[in-house]
Amino acid sequence: NAGVTQTPKFQVLKTGQSMTLQCAQDMNHEYMSWYRQDPGMGLRLIHYSVGAGITDQGEVPNGYNVSRSTTEDFPLRLLSAAPSQTSVYFCASSYLPGSGGIDTQYFGPGTRLTVL
Amino acid sequence: AQTVTQSQPEMSVQEAETVTLSCTYDTSESDYYLFWYKQPPSRQMILVIRQEAYKQQNATENRFSVNFQKAAKSFSLKISDSQLGDAAMYFCAYRSSGAGSYQLTFGKGTKLSVIP
Repeated sequence: NAGVTQTPKFQVLKTGQSMTLQCAQDMNHEYMSWYRQDPGMGLRLIHYSVGAGITDQGEVPNGYNVSRSTTEDFPLRLLSAAPSQTSVYFCASSYLPGSGGIDTQYFGPGTRLTVL
Repeated sequence: AQTVTQSQPEMSVQEAETVTLSCTYDTSESDYYLFWYKQPPSRQMILVIRQEAYKQQNATENRFSVNFQKAAKSFSLKISDSQLGDAAMYFCAYRSSGAGSYQLTFGKGTKLSVIP
């Protein structure tokens, strides 16, 4: 298993540009989520999904969109990048609690995004 | 809302010695999960240990163990026989066990240095 994969690893954008961060997992996990990590702030939840076609907002959703068309993929879209979105982005996945699998979240390697 | 506090932004330990990282949390729930994640310079988030609140016994994983004090809402991580590879950021995280609650709430992290 590849686990949780993220592309790209690094990205530089100009203010106002749009882009999509990709996340994929091959563990058949129902739950997927996006976090951002800023210095001194720990990780904060942006959006999450409990299955294909179902998404919801986390703690810091503004400026980001998500969709979940398949179990495997959960892309994060920045529609109009702003310098405040400069951060490291992590995707994570797990089984849902009570589904029979261990519900510990596994993280991808992260994407470092810089918005100029 | 739950909060997680790591009061030690940085700590250091001599190689082969023991170090304890502190974590406290605030919740009104009786059942939940607690985690310690390690983030080395590679940026990858690695699960170190998981504790279920309804279990009295403290979790252990090789050289890593926790001291879980439910009444005090304390969840410290002890690293025995510290190795150079233990140098990393360590994050404490909380997750509710309630239905529909999948999000992890993270502390701000403790940076651990290991001195040869």
